[in-house]
Amino acid sequence: SQTIHQWPATLVQPVGSPLSLECTVEGTSNPNLYWYRQAAGRGLQLLFYSVGIGQISSEVPQNLSASRPQDRQFILSSKKLLLSDSGFYLCAWTMPGENTEAFFGQGTRLTVV
Amino acid sequence: AQRVTQPEKLLSVFKGAPVELKCNYSYSGSPELFWYVQYSRQRLQLLLRHISRESIKGFTADLNKGETSFHLKKPFAQEEDSAMYYCALKADSWGKLQFGAGTQVVVTP
Repeated sequence: SQTIHQWPATLVQPVGSPLSLECTVEGTSNPNLYWYRQAAGRGLQLLFYSVGIGQISSEVPQNLSASRPQDRQFILSSKKLLLSDSGFYLCAWTMPGENTEAFFGQGTRLTVV
Repeated sequence: AQRVTQPEKLLSVFKGAPVELKCNYSYSGSPELFWYVQYSRQRLQLLLRHISRESIKGFTADLNKGETSFHLKKPFAQEEDSAMYYCALKADSWGKLQFGAGTQVVVTP
């Protein structure tokens, strides 16, 4: 069966420090991968998605970047965190094609102090 | 541009009472709509999708293209229905989801 792992679950980082959140999927090949963020009091917003290794599309301008070094690995990064980067980050995957549901990781609560 | 609106941030209902979560969308094409749910300490997961036209855990949702709505309903709420509910729209073949702000449902005995 397919599983998705996301870590860490919580993170407190100082302003200006780097960030690396990792997400891996098991039990499937060539998934579409996504990073979403939920800021306080707001809904989930798509940040990045990837349909293949090395292919990253950004949905909103921001201080973050994403990379997909392997088929089932998706990394969210920042060189210098801002206070506004605080939020709840969710990794998700889908199978390519129509009528597919998204499967989500457990999420990472990031607090930038 | 596509948009999903959930007007209620919090919905408090008594056990056994009907519950309806509102969702309206704006999209010029033929959308695919979903309801996702997050129970306490669990992952966000799919509850139902409009193309399935099925009832899950007693919940149903009908896509009304004329009113551009996809409201979620359950005739008799249970305490285990307490959760955060998100309405979502998939507008392309890449699987990208546009989420509403979410509605927190609290069912009290």
